Amino acid sequence: GQSLEQPSEVTAVEGAIVQINCTYQTSGFYGLSWYQQHDGGAPTFLSYNALDGLEETGRFSSFLSRSDSYGYLLLQELQMKDSASYFCAVRDTGTDSWGKLQFGAGTQVVVTP
Amino acid sequence: DVKVTQSSRYLVKRTGEKVFLECVQDMDHENMFWYRQDPGLGLRLIYFSYDVKMKEKGDIPEGYSVSREKKERFSLILESASTNQTSMYLCASSPGLRYEQYFGPGTRLTVT
Repeated sequence: GQSLEQPSEVTAVEGAIVQINCTYQTSGFYGLSWYQQHDGGAPTFLSYNALDGLEETGRFSSFLSRSDSYGYLLLQELQMKDSASYFCAVRDTGTDSWGKLQFGAGTQVVVTP
Repeated sequence: DVKVTQSSRYLVKRTGEKVFLECVQDMDHENMFWYRQDPGLGLRLIYFSYDVKMKEKGDIPEGYSVSREKKERFSLILESASTNQTSMYLCASSPGLRYEQYFGPGTRLTVT
């Protein structure tokens, strides 16, 4: 079957670094995405990794290891506005899935002063 | 900017009612999706559509149907609402097979 695992909650102080891990099991794999969702808001796209390695976008970076079925989102120089839920999502290329996204349950990041 | 709009932010319906949730996108995207979001379960795909009048079941299609008569509009229908369909419903769209999905603000549906 398909499954994604990520921690339910992470707490850190302003200025710190947080790493959110995501492990996945899918019948096929095309890429790993990350989305951010503030309370009451819509999910918004952060990053996408199709190949192994680190992708950096400002304070946020995303990493993928296809051989380990593992990725992470790295949030640096944490700010209060980074308090949100973060979802990893896998684009599955299994025979019955057509490339739709499978989402993890989400990680609540709490940033404290 | 891509804009995805949903017909209501909050909706309260009674058990057994037929419920229509509307979603409109303004970027000529081929693909549209309906998800429901519940605490601790993340986003679960109900149905998606890759073209007008085309639809595919997602992971939890039971109790739902969809309609896509025009490219910009994707409707989710609860044929006979039940209390276990109380949830946040999110619509999304994407261009072709690109990885990025654009989400609407969501409809929080309560079925009493």
